Amino acid sequence: DTAVSQTPKYLVTQMGNDKSIKCEQNLGHDTMYWYKQDSKKFLKIMFSYNNKELIINETVPNRFSPKSPDKAHLNLHINSLELGDSAVYFCASSPQAGLAKNIQYFGAGTRLSVL
Amino acid sequence: AQTVTQSQPEMSVQEAETVTLSCTYDTSESNYYLFWYKQPPSRQMILVIRQEAYKQQNATENRFSVNFQKAAKSFSLKISDSQLGDTAMYFCAFLDSNYQLIWGAGTKLIIKP
Repeated sequence: DTAVSQTPKYLVTQMGNDKSIKCEQNLGHDTMYWYKQDSKKFLKIMFSYNNKELIINETVPNRFSPKSPDKAHLNLHINSLELGDSAVYFCASSPQAGLAKNIQYFGAGTRLSVL
Repeated sequence: AQTVTQSQPEMSVQEAETVTLSCTYDTSESNYYLFWYKQPPSRQMILVIRQEAYKQQNATENRFSVNFQKAAKSFSLKISDSQLGDTAMYFCAFLDSNYQLIWGAGTKLIIKP
């Protein structure tokens, strides 16, 4: 069973559309994350949720809105897509029980292409 | 602010050789964790190895080992007997006390047959 699963794996869409990426983890972790990896492979944290509450919200356009219906799910909704949103988006999860146990496990990524 | 620097954008070695990827970081924290993640062409991010800052002993996982120099804030990854499947991007990352991973820019490693 996949520990952190994201859907879809590939997403091709037109500028101006609204799209969502879903993420689910079956590890029982308390914390989930969204990262953006640009064309130069640089990874940037976007959001972090701990037990459904937002704890990290980096400088991200408000067109991006994370939603956590429960601690096993963290979905990313993007409004009015722009060309610059094209990237690979990774979901990750980790236990929050102290630094010693904080290992982040990643989903397979969603490659978003905005045309 | 914490930073992680990987000074080698790309490296290539022959299969079976040993290769060392460098990573330096900057922090004022005393207790932290360091990681190496691997991203093969499949783009899955895979944890390779983890080091606890308060442990002097270098972490080892099979063919992967680290050289952790806390005073120098250096955390290099050594891959012994490299294999074709080791071809990937390798990212060094630092976990701070806010549970946030700070990432390096990555090193592209190519293992040649």
